[in-house]
Amino acid sequence: SQQGEEDPQALSIQEGENATMNCSYKTSINNLQWYRQNSGRGLVHLILIRSNEREKHSGRLRVTLDTSKKSSSLLITASRAADTASYFCATAYSSSNTGKLIFGQGTTLQVKP
Amino acid sequence: GAVVSQHPSWVICKSGTSVKIECRSLDFQATTMFWYRQFPKQSLMLMATSNEGSKATYEQGVEKDKFLINHASLTLSTLTVTSAHPEDSSFYICSARDHARGPQLGQYFGPGTRLTVT
Repeated sequence: SQQGEEDPQALSIQEGENATMNCSYKTSINNLQWYRQNSGRGLVHLILIRSNEREKHSGRLRVTLDTSKKSSSLLITASRAADTASYFCATAYSSSNTGKLIFGQGTTLQVKP
Repeated sequence: GAVVSQHPSWVICKSGTSVKIECRSLDFQATTMFWYRQFPKQSLMLMATSNEGSKATYEQGVEKDKFLINHASLTLSTLTVTSAHPEDSSFYICSARDHARGPQLGQYFGPGTRLTVT
């Protein structure tokens, strides 16, 4: 399969709680990116973490990368109802010089008000 | 930021007809564009890499004669779904790479085109 895996597939939390999503991939990468997709809409780029970085923050988002385990996590703190969406990780494999991205299966997050 | 548009945003066509979807980079040049397909409640699957002035590179399992890709200019790639069938109904998303930002960065996604084949 060209895709990596994400877990959980679905996550339901209360507003104000933190949400953690995990992503695993298969081969060495140049970078890993996280995207959000509202139902039926296009992708919104959230954050990019390079292979030589271990952690990155952007507002309420915190991303970690463990290249030894080939995994990444996305933490959304103090979640809001507007965070309800599907979240995808996407990897840019170092074996490819085209920049193509391979997407994980995604996590559907529901934040209840 | 960089903008990528798709046209149309949605289309309904009859089985057996062909449909063309356009992907444009509005404020940057894109030597490389990518086409993805997304079925309901699933992830994006890369279909092909579109290269300006040369043939597209298709992912394994994607029929190149069914999904025709033309990348005739630095700002436009088109995907034509030929002899469409109901199973081709999907959300098609393109992305364009801003080469000024290097090979691994600067990839921008279009808003998607929802194709329904009746």
